[in-house]
This record gives sequence, C-alpha cells and structure tokens, in this order.
Amino acid sequence: AQSVTQLDSQVPVFEEAPVELRCNYSSSVSVYLFWYVQYPNQGLQLLLKYLSGSTLVKGINGFEAEFNKSQTSFHLRKPSVHISDTAEYFCAVVYSGTYKYIFGTGTRLKVLA
Amino acid sequence: GAGVSQSPRYKVAKRGQDVALRCDPISGHVSLFWYQQALGQGPEFLTYFQNEAQLDKSGLPSDRFFAERPEGSVSTLKIQRTQQEDSAVYLCASSLAITGRSNYGYTFGSGTRLTVV
Repeated sequence: AQSVTQLDSQVPVFEEAPVELRCNYSSSVSVYLFWYVQYPNQGLQLLLKYLSGSTLVKGINGFEAEFNKSQTSFHLRKPSVHISDTAEYFCAVVYSGTYKYIFGTGTRLKVLA
Repeated sequence: GAGVSQSPRYKVAKRGQDVALRCDPISGHVSLFWYQQALGQGPEFLTYFQNEAQLDKSGLPSDRFFAERPEGSVSTLKIQRTQQEDSAVYLCASSLAITGRSNYGYTFGSGTRLTVV
C-alpha cells in the first residue's frame, strides 16, 4: 500500500540550531512530494514541493528538502531554527497519475529558547 | 476571496445530530477536495470535485457522509447521525487547475473542528 512515514513524532531543538525532519514514502514510482506546516488551529501551509528537476528544493521560511529516489526519502532541513518555527510539519506524496495527497502522521517541531 | 474559507470554525454536535460544513474555495478554482484530520494524525482524503462533478468519493467513511458542490463553487460536507468517531478537523482545499495537469498548487482552508459529544 502507498504510504508516507514520518518516524519522528516530536523533535525538540534549541533556537538557532539546525534541524532535519525525516520523511520516507513507500514506492519508487514517479511521485510528487510536499512539505506542509500547520500552526495551531490553522490550516496547512505549503512549505515546498518537488515535482521534477533539481532534487534540492528550497521553500519558504528558509526551509529546504532533498529528494532521494534511491532511498525514497524527502527530508526537510533548516540550518537555523527560530521560535516561530514551532509547529506541526506534514510530509505528503502524490503518486503520478493520481490526485490524492497521502499524508504522513506529522512531526511536531518544538523550538526551545 | 483571497483564500479558502471554511465555516463554522468550530462545531460541537450531540451524537445523532446532523451537521453541515461549508467550504468557499478561491474564486475560479476548478478542483475542490475534502480531507479529514483526526487528532494526532495526518489528513486523509474524503472526496474530490471537478467543478460541480463529484469524481471521487472513495474516502467517505460511511453512507452518513455526503458532499455536494451544486454550482461548482461552494461545497458542503454533510454528516448525518454523527458519531463520536466523526470528531476531527475537516479540511477543504482548492486548486485552479484540473488535477493531473497542474503543479498541484492546492490551497487549504483553516478547517472546521467537529467535536461530537
């Protein structure tokens, strides 16, 4: 079955430290990959997406992600986090030829002062 | 409007009550999706509209769930005889393009948090 795995349910990190949020998906067929952020009581905001081309994708708020087809991964990184980055982060995949987002269970990033 | 608007933001329903959740997509957006997000989980697909046509309702969990988009703009998700397991955030998303031919530029609303007591 097609699925997305976010192994870390919570990631605490100190302010100005780097962070990596992991995402793996279940199939190596053609995919489109996304990271969304969800602040408390808000909807999903698109951080970045990979559709094709360069495997390193840069998004908003200083985030970037790298598509690794051989490892079926799309990890999210930020070199220096801020308190305001505290939120829930969701990885999602759309398999080519379909239109449904398949979301991971989310990673709660908590930035500590 | 500038974004996808959902109402109400919060809804508390007694078990067995019917509810209706509204989604106002961005004007002109062709595609509209409903997702259900249970507590501590990622959103899960419920249904998809292209204009007024409901092309996929495979994610609706039971026949108590019904969605419509009669004029190809506003959509309503209706849940009949609500049960406690229906408690979740219901998210609506819209897209300008027809899926499969776009860059998947979906815009999500803030959701409706439904609590069934």
